[in-house]
Amino acid sequence: EVALVESGGGLVQPGGSLKLSCAASGFTFSNDWMTWVRQAPGKGLEWVATINQAGSETFYMGSVEGRFTISRDNGKNSLYLQTNSLRGEDTAVYFCAREVRGGILDYWGQGTPVTVSS
Amino acid sequence: DIVMTQSPDSLAVSLGERATINCKSSQSVFHRSNNKNEIAWYQQKPGQPPKLLISWTSAREFGVPDRFSGSGSGTDFTLTISSLQAEDVAVYYCQQSYSGKTFGQGTKVEIK
Repeated sequence: EVALVESGGGLVQPGGSLKLSCAASGFTFSNDWMTWVRQAPGKGLEWVATINQAGSETFYMGSVEGRFTISRDNGKNSLYLQTNSLRGEDTAVYFCAREVRGGILDYWGQGTPVTVSS
Repeated sequence: DIVMTQSPDSLAVSLGERATINCKSSQSVFHRSNNKNEIAWYQQKPGQPPKLLISWTSAREFGVPDRFSGSGSGTDFTLTISSLQAEDVAVYYCQQSYSGKTFGQGTKVEIK
């Protein structure tokens, strides 16, 4: 059974950093693209970043480009999101998701909350 | 960026009645390479992550009840719940994957 478990969220001051992790199991992690999506409190879903199977291609939404870095370790079946220079508008629950068929997100984790506040 | 606009923002439907959610993309999401419209629908219940219901406009995922159906082409797409059940209360999102990934703002479905 496919499982994605995020961790690493928390309370951080503006300008701070957090590294989010997503542990994958139940599928061949190295075969699939992976994506981070976030959801601000009471708001909708917002795509954040995507990485290909080998980690050689990465894609970001405009407002996080240069501040966030998506990466993966296929040997550890893990996905990461390094978040730097955090702002209040980055406050959200961050979900990792498996991406298939060119952009469809078929499995999601439960999410890890990030709160940016002084 | 392709903008996805859902309507209505919320709707209340009686149990057993039909619920219809519309999704409009700001440009065509038809992929000639696979002859498909790159539209997916997700269901999100309170406190849970989104769940994929339908991909490629109308392909229901394994285990999704057949009261859920998707249709549409070009820039206009629809998710229909043919006979609303209590467990269908949720927020529903459309998503395009033709160019990057963007979601609609969500439609909240409640029981009347």
